[in-house]
Amino acid sequence: DAGVIQSPRHEVTEMGQEVTLRCKPISGHNSLFWYRQTMMRGLELLIYFNNNVPIDDSGMPEDRFSAKMPNASFSTLKIQPSEPRDSAVYFCASSLGRGAREKLFFGSGTQLSVL
Amino acid sequence: GESVGLHLPTLSVQEGDNSIINCAYSNSASDYFIWYKQESGKGPQFIIDIRSNMDKRQGQRVTVLLNKTVKHLSLQIAATQPGDSAVYFCAENIGAAGNKLTFGGGTRVLVKP
Repeated sequence: DAGVIQSPRHEVTEMGQEVTLRCKPISGHNSLFWYRQTMMRGLELLIYFNNNVPIDDSGMPEDRFSAKMPNASFSTLKIQPSEPRDSAVYFCASSLGRGAREKLFFGSGTQLSVL
Repeated sequence: GESVGLHLPTLSVQEGDNSIINCAYSNSASDYFIWYKQESGKGPQFIIDIRSNMDKRQGQRVTVLLNKTVKHLSLQIAATQPGDSAVYFCAENIGAAGNKLTFGGGTRVLVKP
């Protein structure tokens, strides 16, 4: 089991550029979550999908952020245009079922630095 | 758990001793709680969970205690090992809120040899 796979591991970009983060959930998992982690705000849920459908995106900071899940094995989180305050570690997680009572399996994260 | 900004509270413990990590949760409607461990450069890893109809749950070397009266959660690690050095997060969920897990600010555990 390869676990949740995220790419890239590190991303350094300049303010105003588009950033795309990628995630491959564990095969067979039905729910996928995007989290952001900063020292100031801790772990924040941005959006989650169930069966490829976005269920709750109320954590998405603003319109610059968008997420898609075109199929069960792939999701993207896009920031356009990026700003320095978007610098954080972005985690993708997946779970077998729909409820939060399911264990979340996290990827290793993408460290994003916006200069 | 409360966000602590730039500095995580740190627990230093001698190898072999027991560790107790505390967490105060905010919402009295929360009915499910999880402890996660995060090692440097990695994503959080599930340790143990507990539902609100329980006061205590034990796993391998770990015990979670829940006190709903004072909205307090604790994680006890028995015979702490160097591999236990990490940041530990509690998370709470309200069933009616679906999949939203609200994470606490975390506690760093440093195991001294």
